[in-house]
Amino acid sequence: EDQVTQSPEALRLQEGESSSLNCSYTVSGLRGLFWYRQDPGKGPEFLFTLYSAGEEKEKERLKATLTKKESFLHITAPKPEDSATYLCAVHTYNNNDMRFGAGTRLTVKP
Amino acid sequence: DGGITQSPKYLFRKEGQNVTLSCEQNLNHDAMYWYRQDPGQGLRLIYYSQIVNDFQKGDIAEGYSVSREKKESFPLTVTSAQKNPTAFYLCASARDSSGANVLTFGAGSRLTVL
Repeated sequence: EDQVTQSPEALRLQEGESSSLNCSYTVSGLRGLFWYRQDPGKGPEFLFTLYSAGEEKEKERLKATLTKKESFLHITAPKPEDSATYLCAVHTYNNNDMRFGAGTRLTVKP
Repeated sequence: DGGITQSPKYLFRKEGQNVTLSCEQNLNHDAMYWYRQDPGQGLRLIYYSQIVNDFQKGDIAEGYSVSREKKESFPLTVTSAQKNPTAFYLCASARDSSGANVLTFGAGSRLTVL
């Protein structure tokens, strides 16, 4: 069965303190791995799609990377406005839908 | 602007009542989805539809029903058979379901059972 596990569940950082969020997956055939950002009480917003191992994508302070078993979301010099829950999801050849991890709740203190 | 509109944002239900959550999109997307989000858990798929007048059950379809009479609309009914309906419900759409397409989400509807 396809599984997606995110760690840590929660992460508290000081402004400017860089760190990484992890998304490990066990799937039979990966079509794509997605990162979303979700603010409290709102729907998730798309950040990145990664399709193959070795691929990297960047947007402002965020950089997503992909291996055959996991993806990392690196946050460089975070700001308080980066505080949100970050969701990882995989789309596989077995399903016509996304499988989501439980998310990492990031808090950045000024 | 194109997007997905969910209503109502907050809904309260008494036990034994059916309630319907609205989801409308103007993105001309073929595929639409309903997810349920509970604290500490990933989004779980309730139902999805790839085309008008067709839909499939997701992982947790029991106690829910949907219809897809128009491309733009995919309402979700939470029936009295759903034993624990209190949750945050998210509607999403995608260009189609054939590939790894980005999901566009609505703002969500929070249902509370009194």
